[in-house]
Amino acid sequence: NAGVMQNPRHLVRRRGQEARLRCSPMKGHSHVYWYRQLPEEGLKFMVYLQKENIIDESGMPKERFSAEFPKEGPSILRIQQVVRGDSAAYFCASSQGLDSYEQYFGPGTRLTVT
Amino acid sequence: AQKVTQAQTEISVVEKEDVTLDCVYETRDTTYYLFWYKQPPSGELVFLIRRNSFDEQNEISGRYSWNFQKSTSSFNFTITASQVVDSAVYFCALSEPYTGTASKLTFGTGTRLQVTL
Repeated sequence: NAGVMQNPRHLVRRRGQEARLRCSPMKGHSHVYWYRQLPEEGLKFMVYLQKENIIDESGMPKERFSAEFPKEGPSILRIQQVVRGDSAAYFCASSQGLDSYEQYFGPGTRLTVT
Repeated sequence: AQKVTQAQTEISVVEKEDVTLDCVYETRDTTYYLFWYKQPPSGELVFLIRRNSFDEQNEISGRYSWNFQKSTSSFNFTITASQVVDSAVYFCALSEPYTGTASKLTFGTGTRLQVTL
């Protein structure tokens, strides 16, 4: 039973490029959360999605960031025109939804902007 | 708004010492969950424990124990006879329910534990 998968594990982008981070939830899970961990800080909630719906994006920066969770395929966190301040670890978590408080985390994607 | 405070930024102990990591939380919800996660140097998040707001019994798992006190809004984590492999950043987190269907987590800033020989 595979856990939450994230790829790539490490991503290097130059300033101005686009970054795409992928998250495949655990089998049977239809709820996905994205969190960001800036260097030496705790994790901060970004966005919560269900299949084809964004439920809560209160933690997402207003510009350049977007997320989707299509009917088929992984959830995608997209960062356009990356800047150095976007360098961070991005974690995805998934839950079944029926058990309200159990979230399983992926290994994270470490984004470095040069 | 929900908040989790881990006042200890960094703790250093010598192997075999006991160490307690503090966690204080704020919430207006009557139903909530508290969590502890471990983040070793490799970077992944390792789930340690989940505790619901209605269960104030302390829990012990091997060398780990947790003390949940609603009266002081604290959920402290103790490692007994610490080992070098316990060196990591430890995060306390609080769930924020969405009308009972699913929730997002609010994390503390973490406590870095360094265990030396």
